[in-house]
Amino acid sequence: DVKVTQSSRYLVKRTGEKVFLECVQDMDHENMFWYRQDPGLGLRLIYFSYDVKMKEKGDIPEGYSVSREKKERFSLILESASTNQTSMYLCASSFDGSMNTEAFFGQGTRLTVV
Amino acid sequence: AQKITQTQPGMFVQEKEAVTLDCTYDTSDPSYGLFWYKQPSSGEMIFLIYQGSYDQQNATEGRYSLNFQKARKSANLVISASQLGDSAMYFCAFSRMNTGFQKLVFGTGTRLLVSP
Repeated sequence: DVKVTQSSRYLVKRTGEKVFLECVQDMDHENMFWYRQDPGLGLRLIYFSYDVKMKEKGDIPEGYSVSREKKERFSLILESASTNQTSMYLCASSFDGSMNTEAFFGQGTRLTVV
Repeated sequence: AQKITQTQPGMFVQEKEAVTLDCTYDTSDPSYGLFWYKQPSSGEMIFLIYQGSYDQQNATEGRYSLNFQKARKSANLVISASQLGDSAMYFCAFSRMNTGFQKLVFGTGTRLLVSP
C-alpha cells in the first residue's frame, strides 16, 4: 500500500518561529504536493514538486517555501509563522506522466500559530 | 486558471437513498481529468472515482458513479444506496498536465450527512 507520512499530527508554534512540516512517501512517486485546508475554502495548493530539487508555486505560495532534496521527502517551510497560517496542512504524492493517476494523501498536520 | 465549483456546502440524505453531489469546472484545456475524494471526520483523503475528458462512458466504482456532462462542464458524483458511513466531506478535483506534470486543483467541498 502507498503510504504518505506527515511528521506531526498536531503542532503549536509561536508567531515568528521558523516551522518545518515534513512529508515522506514510500512509493517512489515523482510528484509531491502541499495543500492547506480551511473551512469553506477547500484545499488550496501551496507548492508542488515534480522531481528532486524541482518546485513550482501553487495558488497561495506567499509566506511558504519548500525543499525536495530526496525523491521521497518534501518539506514545507514557514519562514516566519503568522497567525493566519493556522490551518490543516495536507501532503500528497502521485506518479508522474499522467493526469489520471490519483494522489495519495498523508493524515494531515493541524498547525496552530499563537 | 482552472476553477472548480461545488455549490452545495451541505447535503442531507436518508439511509438507502441516492444522492447527487454537484461539481462544475471551468477550463479551456481539451485534455483533463476529474476526481472525487472523500474525507471522513478522521481527516484522511480517500480517492473514490476518476473521469477523463475523453472517456466515452461515465465512470462507475461500486456505489459511486460520475455523471459527466462535458458540454455543461459538470462532473456530479452520484452515491446510490447511501450508508451511514458515507457521512463525510466530499471534494471534487480537476487535473491537467501542466507542461508535462500533473497539477490537482480542488473545490471547496460538500459535507454529506446520512441519517438513519
